[in-house]
Amino acid sequence: GNSVTQMEGPVTLSEEAFLTINCTYTATGYPSLFWYVQYPGEGLQLLLKATKADDKGSNKGFEATYRKETTSFHLEKGSVQVSDSAVYFCALKSSNTGKLIFGQGTTLQVKP
Amino acid sequence: DVKVTQSSRYLVKRTGEKVFLECVQDMDHENMFWYRQDPGLGLRLIYFSYDVKMKEKGDIPEGYSVSREKKERFSLILESASTNQTSMYLCASTTLPENTEAFFGQGTRLTVV
Repeated sequence: GNSVTQMEGPVTLSEEAFLTINCTYTATGYPSLFWYVQYPGEGLQLLLKATKADDKGSNKGFEATYRKETTSFHLEKGSVQVSDSAVYFCALKSSNTGKLIFGQGTTLQVKP
Repeated sequence: DVKVTQSSRYLVKRTGEKVFLECVQDMDHENMFWYRQDPGLGLRLIYFSYDVKMKEKGDIPEGYSVSREKKERFSLILESASTNQTSMYLCASTTLPENTEAFFGQGTRLTVV
């Protein structure tokens, strides 16, 4: 079945550091890929998405590229801020069923 | 503003009680989901529904059932609550095309004592 695997956290960085959170997936068909973010005390919200191979999603300085050959969708940001501290979830949505599957989540803590 | 509303933010129930968690969306979405969120385990899918009265088991359906009598409402039922069902429960909804995002409720923190 479909699955998503994320790098384990927590990830602790200093402000302005470079961020990478790894995400790989297993899926049949042609899923869409998403990154969701959960800020402390809040619900999940969409950060970015990519719907086909080689698409790049971007938002708020974050980027991720849909790599079909490596079945990956790694999240990157060039310079993190304290306000980026949150839990980040990689997810895929099946093209066959519409089923939405999440990874384990990665906690990011950014220190001033 | 699109909205997914869960009926309670916090619930405390006793072991063995039947518990109902309600979720309502106002976007006319076909698909609705129930997840539980536990530290280190991420979001695990309990059940999802792709139409009224239609449902499919997720990864951890044991001890749960669901009901979808109307398109906008998706209920999660704990038939006999147990302490290992203490968790954060999240409801989400989305439309059919695979490239559309899901919208989430604020979550229900359930404690079973």
